[in-house]
Amino acid sequence: NAGVTQTPKFQVLKTGQSMTLQCAQDMNHEYMSWYRQDPGMGLRLIHYSVGAGITDQGEVPNGYNVSRSTTEDFPLRLLSAAPSQTSVYFCASSNYPDSPLHFGNGTRLTVT
Amino acid sequence: SQQGEEDPQALSIQEGENATMNCSYKTSINNLQWYRQNSGRGLVHLILIRSNEREKHSGRLRVTLDTSKKSSSLLITASRAADTASYFCATDARAGGTSYGKLTFGQGTILTVHP
Repeated sequence: NAGVTQTPKFQVLKTGQSMTLQCAQDMNHEYMSWYRQDPGMGLRLIHYSVGAGITDQGEVPNGYNVSRSTTEDFPLRLLSAAPSQTSVYFCASSNYPDSPLHFGNGTRLTVT
Repeated sequence: SQQGEEDPQALSIQEGENATMNCSYKTSINNLQWYRQNSGRGLVHLILIRSNEREKHSGRLRVTLDTSKKSSSLLITASRAADTASYFCATDARAGGTSYGKLTFGQGTILTVHP
């Protein structure tokens, strides 16, 4: 099984550009989430989803948009990239509400 | 906000020694989890301990949880060079019930094991 797959692995954007970070899981997990990891800050939750059609905000949602049209996919959209969004982004999924998370390998995003 | 605070921030030991990492948190929890991250990779789940448990073992890992002190420790026994990684604790807050994957992570401990 592939698990959680994130694409692209690396991306460079100019300020103001938009893009979508892709996340797909093949484990039929209901719960999916997006985190960003910054040096010295640990991981912070951006958005999460408890099933297809249901999303909610996490700790740092501003500047990001999500939708969940299928169980497998949970894309993260940057509407107008800013240098403060330079980070490593991780997608995660789990099969039960309180079960461990399965993480993708991350997307390293640089905004110039 | 950072729920978990980890200590030490960095730990350097020799192969064969034990490594202990500590995590403190602020609010009541349902469970506490430990994850490992190798450089340039995603996080991998190591162990989950629930709020009504005090100690849990998995192979060379031993996790303790003291809810009265709001703290947890991760012990790796007989460490190996391959254990070199960052280790994170993560909590899901009790308030509102289930976490739905909404974990709050600490800043992590960087462990270096020298051969």
